[in-house]
Amino acid sequence: ILNVEQSPQSLHVQEGDSTNFTCSFPSSNFYALHWYRWETAKSPEALFVMTLNGDEKKKGRISATLNTKEGYSYLYIKGSQPEDSATYLCAFMEYGNKLVFGAGTILRVKS
Amino acid sequence: EAQVTQNPRYLITVTGKKLTVTCSQNMNHEYMSWYRQDPGLGLRQIYYSMNVEVTDKGDVPEGYKVSRKEKRNFPLILESPSPNQTSLYFCASSWQYSNQPQHFGDGTRLSIL
Repeated sequence: ILNVEQSPQSLHVQEGDSTNFTCSFPSSNFYALHWYRWETAKSPEALFVMTLNGDEKKKGRISATLNTKEGYSYLYIKGSQPEDSATYLCAFMEYGNKLVFGAGTILRVKS
Repeated sequence: EAQVTQNPRYLITVTGKKLTVTCSQNMNHEYMSWYRQDPGLGLRQIYYSMNVEVTDKGDVPEGYKVSRKEKRNFPLILESPSPNQTSLYFCASSWQYSNQPQHFGDGTRLSIL
């Protein structure tokens, strides 16, 4: 079974702080790397899908980078707000299109 | 409205009583998938389907069956449910290409007594 690891497991920050999380995945058979935001009592919503080494994506205050050669991706949140509180999931898609999720990073932003 | 619809949303049942969780999408997506979510384990893929009549096992397929007879529907079947299948289940769909995100349904919470 493929191993996708996310760190840290949880994070508590103050409003206005910038923060980042890490997703580590196998560097072989890479097809795509997905990031999702999952709020309590809702379903996961897509943030980014990245397919190329060196990819950088941005949506508002959230951005992500991808290094397929070493098998990691970073998600950055600039100036965290209470509404950013959620679980952030990454998922590795290998050739053959099986999708493997990490356990997630829980972010809590205090106002 | 583009959506993935799962039914039922909640179900409490007993060991051994066959059940089906339906999943339907209206976006003409080729790729559909089922996941279960358990505390501390994240989302684990049960089965996925690249298109009609094409299904493949994910990481935790034991005890589950699926079928893909129509593009829009991807039901999850538990032939003989057991308590270890108590979980939160999500169905998702996407276009078949790798750069497309998954669209998730609202989830089905199953309790097997």
